[in-house]
Amino acid sequence: ELKVEQNPLFLSMQEGKNYTIYCNYSTTSDRLYWYRQDPGKSLESLFVLLSNGAVKQEGRLMASLDTKARLSTLHITAAVHDLSATYFCAAGETSGSRLTFGEGTQLTVNP
Amino acid sequence: NAGVTQTPKFQVLKTGQSMTLQCAQDMNHEYMSWYRQDPGMGLRLIHYSVGAGITDQGEVPNGYNVSRSTTEDFPLRLLSAAPSQTSVYFCASSYDFSGNTIYFGEGSWLTVV
Repeated sequence: ELKVEQNPLFLSMQEGKNYTIYCNYSTTSDRLYWYRQDPGKSLESLFVLLSNGAVKQEGRLMASLDTKARLSTLHITAAVHDLSATYFCAAGETSGSRLTFGEGTQLTVNP
Repeated sequence: NAGVTQTPKFQVLKTGQSMTLQCAQDMNHEYMSWYRQDPGMGLRLIHYSVGAGITDQGEVPNGYNVSRSTTEDFPLRLLSAAPSQTSVYFCASSYDFSGNTIYFGEGSWLTVV
């Protein structure tokens, strides 16, 4: 059974600072997703990572995938208040069609 | 484009009542799924479908039924609502499960009293 763990679960940071959210998964997965959710809203797709060493960047967010370590990271560069949201990672099982989510990281960026 | 459309957005049910959450997508996606989101627990997979006529159970399927008679629609039925089913429900779809983006609907807020 695929399990996904994120840390930290809560992150309060100042504007302009850098930080990383970690996503570990328990068994083999060949696809890793990152989503953003604002309060009371749906999930917005940020990144889909499909291979070992994959790195994708959009604005102040950069995601990477290390399939050997079963680890994905979401790096935030020079945080701004607009990045305040909950970020989820999700891993897809290799031989199947199930997607398993982490608990989410609630990010608050303070001025 | 409408994307993934869920109805209703809000619903209050009494214990023991049944209801159907509707989900429709207009992107010709084969893969559709239902999740529930509870505070502090992320999203948990209820049921999913890889194409019309094909459904399978996810992590938390008890108390829910699904069917997939068309590519576009994937309704979720609550057979006899219980307070433990109070949650936010999200429908999602994707072209397939090989790594394409998975799109989520706006969510359905369900309260069972």
